[in-house]
Amino acid sequence: AQTVTQSQPEMSVQEAETVTLSCTYDTSENNYYLFWYKQPPSRQMILVIRQEAYKQQNATENRFSVNFQKAAKSFSLKISDSQLGDTAMYFCAFRTTSGTYKYIFGTGTRLKVLA
Amino acid sequence: GAGVSQSPSNKVTEKGKDVELRCDPISGHTALYWYRQRLGQGLEFLIYFQGNSAPDKSGLPSDRFSAERTGESVSTLTIQRTQQEDSAVYLCASSALYWAGEDTQYFGPGTRLTVL
Repeated sequence: AQTVTQSQPEMSVQEAETVTLSCTYDTSENNYYLFWYKQPPSRQMILVIRQEAYKQQNATENRFSVNFQKAAKSFSLKISDSQLGDTAMYFCAFRTTSGTYKYIFGTGTRLKVLA
Repeated sequence: GAGVSQSPSNKVTEKGKDVELRCDPISGHTALYWYRQRLGQGLEFLIYFQGNSAPDKSGLPSDRFSAERTGESVSTLTIQRTQQEDSAVYLCASSALYWAGEDTQYFGPGTRLTVL
């Protein structure tokens, strides 16, 4: 069975600095998708970034980038130039490309950006 | 055409009562997902719809939980004989899933269920 592990329950970072959130997963599949979602206090889940396992190039969205290490089954999120609005829960998620397209979510990392 | 909507936003009920939670996905989205999020915890998959059928119901915690979808649109999650441990935020998400590649989930704001 696939699993997703986020080993950092809470993190904090100073405004304008860089922070990296870690995520590891376990699967026997070769092709799949990985996601980072953000959930601010408003509770609305928002997609931050998406990575396709068959692509070697790391995905980037503005200040957000990932370090995807397929062999190590690692998918970390780097937030550059942190802003107060980045304060939220961040969830890593995995989805297969076969079967029922079920998503597996990690338990989340609570990030606080300090002024 | 906005995003995914859910109703009610908050529901308080007494133990033993039945509740219905509604999800309106983005128009044209074929896939619809229900998750449960207990306080301070991650998302727990409940059920997934492709069109009106549910290929994966493996996450439903017990037979008190059921869900249906009609017209490849609105979905209802029903919890019968609610228990205090059912208290959580119930999130719905939809995705286009035209093919295996395009499947970004768009989430609704959730329904916060409190069972007294």
